[in-house]
Amino acid sequence: EVQLVESGGGLVQPGGSLRLSCAASGFTFTNYAMNWVRQVPGKGLERVSVISGNGGGTDYADSVKGRFTISRDNSKNMLHLQMNSLRAEDTAVYYCAKSDCTNTGCHVMDYWGQGTLVTVSS
Amino acid sequence: EIVLTQSPGTLSLSPGERATLSCRASQSVSNNYLAWYQQKPGQAPRLLINGASRRATGIPDRFSGSGSGTDFTLTISRLEPEDFAVYYCQQYGGSPQTFGQGTKLEIK
Repeated sequence: EVQLVESGGGLVQPGGSLRLSCAASGFTFTNYAMNWVRQVPGKGLERVSVISGNGGGTDYADSVKGRFTISRDNSKNMLHLQMNSLRAEDTAVYYCAKSDCTNTGCHVMDYWGQGTLVTVSS
Repeated sequence: EIVLTQSPGTLSLSPGERATLSCRASQSVSNNYLAWYQQKPGQAPRLLINGASRRATGIPDRFSGSGSGTDFTLTISRLEPEDFAVYYCQQYGGSPQTFGQGTKLEIK
């Protein structure tokens, strides 16, 4: 059974940093691209970042480019999102989601975690 | 960027009825790379359909997707109580991939 469990969310001040993590199990982690998708409560979905199965390729939404860094540790089946220079508009639930294939062009997300809430406020 | 517009914003129906949800793209979606997701309150999205018409693993056959080019439809043939949720379409034929704003399917 595929399981994705996020952690690391919380309250942070504007300009601060936070690191999200996602523990994956139930599939061959290195074979699949992984994503971070965020959702402002009550609003729609925004894919923030994607990383290829081998970690060699990444892509970011314009809204977070230069501030967020996605990474993965295939030896530990872990996905991370380092978020710097956080803004109030980054407040959202952040979901970890598995792509259905290997590279950063794999946009269909077939399994999702339950999400972790990030609140940016003073 | 391809903009997806979903309609209606809210659809009120009763269990047993047929639901038809629309997703219209601002330009043609190449290869009909269009997916549908279901999200229930307090839960993560769940993939229903990809490639415009392929049901994902474990999705009941009362869910079907159709369409091509700029107009796509998700049909739920006979609503079950657990189908009342928010539905999102996503296009991945153009870069960047984008989501629609969602359609809320509520019990009448």
